[in-house]
Amino acid sequence: DAKTTQPPSMDCAEGRAANLPCNHSTISGNEYVYWYRQIHSQGPQYIIHGLKNNETNEMASLIITEDRKSSTLILPHATLRDTAVYYCIVSSNSGYALNFGKGTSLLVTP
Amino acid sequence: GAVVSQHPSWVICKSGTSVKIECRSLDFQATTMFWYRQFPKQSLMLMATSNEGSKATYEQGVEKDKFLINHASLTLSTLTVTSAHPEDSSFYICSARDRVRLGTEAFFGQGTRLTVV
Repeated sequence: DAKTTQPPSMDCAEGRAANLPCNHSTISGNEYVYWYRQIHSQGPQYIIHGLKNNETNEMASLIITEDRKSSTLILPHATLRDTAVYYCIVSSNSGYALNFGKGTSLLVTP
Repeated sequence: GAVVSQHPSWVICKSGTSVKIECRSLDFQATTMFWYRQFPKQSLMLMATSNEGSKATYEQGVEKDKFLINHASLTLSTLTVTSAHPEDSSFYICSARDRVRLGTEAFFGQGTRLTVV
């Protein structure tokens, strides 16, 4: 699986959009981009994933660049409950484990 | 979305005893499940891949005789920490993916906090 690079930490004001970047310059054609988050002392929670096109669901939007070498997770209206570590993971085959990097620790402040 | 249930959510055991952790996929069949370990302020580290009906595959540095994995059915995998020691205290998390549907997300249990005293 391709390696990902994320900033170690970010802050966001409550109610504002949180934009979390991820670089995956060595991504290959059959690899998906997955985003998970982990709130303290809980298992990771799935947020969204995509292959080439931008994706949106009730939690977030995923913007993938045309060359697929980077992506941005957007939480449109961050709340205090969105404070968590966010992981960007690239993986090709659903038969394989997801390998977690260090992620981005997002702090949403009042 | 699909649900993976992990039990217990926390356990305290004495040094030298064994502890079993269960991981169940509640509404899908998981031919493959994964076990992770997470130490404080660190990321999840893959320990092993559990395949239904066959032996688990362990990551380098993980002792297979200490961390026994059984995957007897398509919905249940168990991790047994044998002869636990304080350094085994950690957060253990299981995960499952629906292998039939390519490119789908993995689902995670809520984790088990193991404290060995």
